[in-house]
Amino acid sequence: QQQVKQSPQSLIVQKGGISIINCAYENTAFDYFPWYQQFPGKGPALLIAIRPDVSEKKEGRFTISFNKSAKQFSLHIMDSQPGDSATYFCASRGSNYQLIWGAGTKLIIKP
Amino acid sequence: DGGITQSPKYLFRKEGQNVTLSCEQNLNHDAMYWYRQDPGQGLRLIYYSQIVNDFQKGDIAEGYSVSREKKESFPLTVTSAQKNPTAFYLCASSMEARRGNQPQHFGDGTRLSIL
Repeated sequence: QQQVKQSPQSLIVQKGGISIINCAYENTAFDYFPWYQQFPGKGPALLIAIRPDVSEKKEGRFTISFNKSAKQFSLHIMDSQPGDSATYFCASRGSNYQLIWGAGTKLIIKP
Repeated sequence: DGGITQSPKYLFRKEGQNVTLSCEQNLNHDAMYWYRQDPGQGLRLIYYSQIVNDFQKGDIAEGYSVSREKKESFPLTVTSAQKNPTAFYLCASSMEARRGNQPQHFGDGTRLSIL
C-alpha cells in the first residue's frame, strides 16, 4: 500500500524557535499535499496545503516547502508559540481522490 | 454555525454487540468519510461516500458498515465482527472530491471502548 512517511514522531521546541516536520511520499501521481493540526479530543483541522507545481507556500507563521524531485514536503512553524502545541498530520491525495495520511507528529512548545 | 456533529462523544461496547456512531453535517457537502485513529498511527479510511445512496470501502472496512440515506447523515455501525474496535473514530465531509482541492472538515470524534 502506498504510504506517506512522517518524521519525527515527537518534537520539543522552545518558544520562539522554528518547528520543522517532514514528510515523504511514494507516488508521483499524488497531486495535493495538506497539513492538518489536531488538538487533544478534537478532530483535525486544515492548516495549510500545497500543490506540486509550487515549491513553497506561506500563510502567516506556517510555511510548506515542497521538493517534487525528492518526493518530500515539510512544514515550518516560525516563532513557535505554546498554542501551537498539537499533533500535526501531513497527507497526500492519490488518484482516487482519497487522502493518505502520515502517522502524525506530536509537537510541544516549551514556554 | 455550520459543522459536523458526532455523537456520542464516548461509547462502550459489550462483547457480541453492534454499536452505531452518528455523524451529521449541515455544510451541504456531497462527500462524507469515516476514519479510525489509533495512537501513533495516522488516520485510516474505513468508508467513504461521494453521493447519497452510494458508498465505497476504504482500507479497513472489515467489521464495519455504513449507510447514506440522506445527504446530511452518514452513520457508522461497528459490528461484532470487528474484534479490536477500541479507537477514536472521526467523521469528515467535503465538497465533491473531483471538484478540485476540497478540504475535509472533521467532527470532534467518538471514542469507542470495549467493556
